Amino acid sequence: DAGVIQSPRHEVTEMGQEVTLRCKPISGHNSLFWYRQTMMRGLELLIYFNNNVPIDDSGMPEDRFSAKMPNASFSTLKIQPSEPRDSAVYFCASSGTAVGVGYTFGSGTRLTVV
Amino acid sequence: EDQVTQSPEALRLQEGESSSLNCSYTVSGLRGLFWYRQDPGKGPEFLFTLYSAGEEKEKERLKATLTKKESFLHITAPKPEDSATYLCAVHSLNAGKSTFGDGTTLTVKP
Repeated sequence: DAGVIQSPRHEVTEMGQEVTLRCKPISGHNSLFWYRQTMMRGLELLIYFNNNVPIDDSGMPEDRFSAKMPNASFSTLKIQPSEPRDSAVYFCASSGTAVGVGYTFGSGTRLTVV
Repeated sequence: EDQVTQSPEALRLQEGESSSLNCSYTVSGLRGLFWYRQDPGKGPEFLFTLYSAGEEKEKERLKATLTKKESFLHITAPKPEDSATYLCAVHSLNAGKSTFGDGTTLTVKP
């Protein structure tokens, strides 16, 4: 398996533009997580899905952020409109039903909003 | 609410100088405690899962231990390639997600 695949790896956009981050989880994993990582706030959980259904979105900063998981092999995180304070590395992770094996993280998308 | 506190924030060691990283946690029933390694520019990589007090896991120069309140990641005779940020996370019985600490950044000098 190629692991969790995120795209793009880097994104530079202007303030006010729409940004879409993409994630393909590991086949067979039924949970998907979106995290944001910054030096100041560490690793923050934004939202997670179980069997394609959003379970907890309490970490989504505000209405500018939205996430979807239309099927078991694809998820998106959208920011509209983007702001400079959204600059961070965004990680997608997936896991199966066995808690003991932890999460498998993607390589992340480094977002810079200028 | 589950809480995880890691210390120290940063640790600098000479090659061969053994030490330990600490992870203190508060959960309402522990389902599992996890250690991850994160290299610059990459996502965290899973290392160990510990389930109950007294349990130990080893991998090369790393050994993770668990008590009812904290976990230690012991690094024996570290090498420069062990330099990374080490993250601790807990998964409680009633939660569908893990809660992560802020990590310890380890630097091993040759």
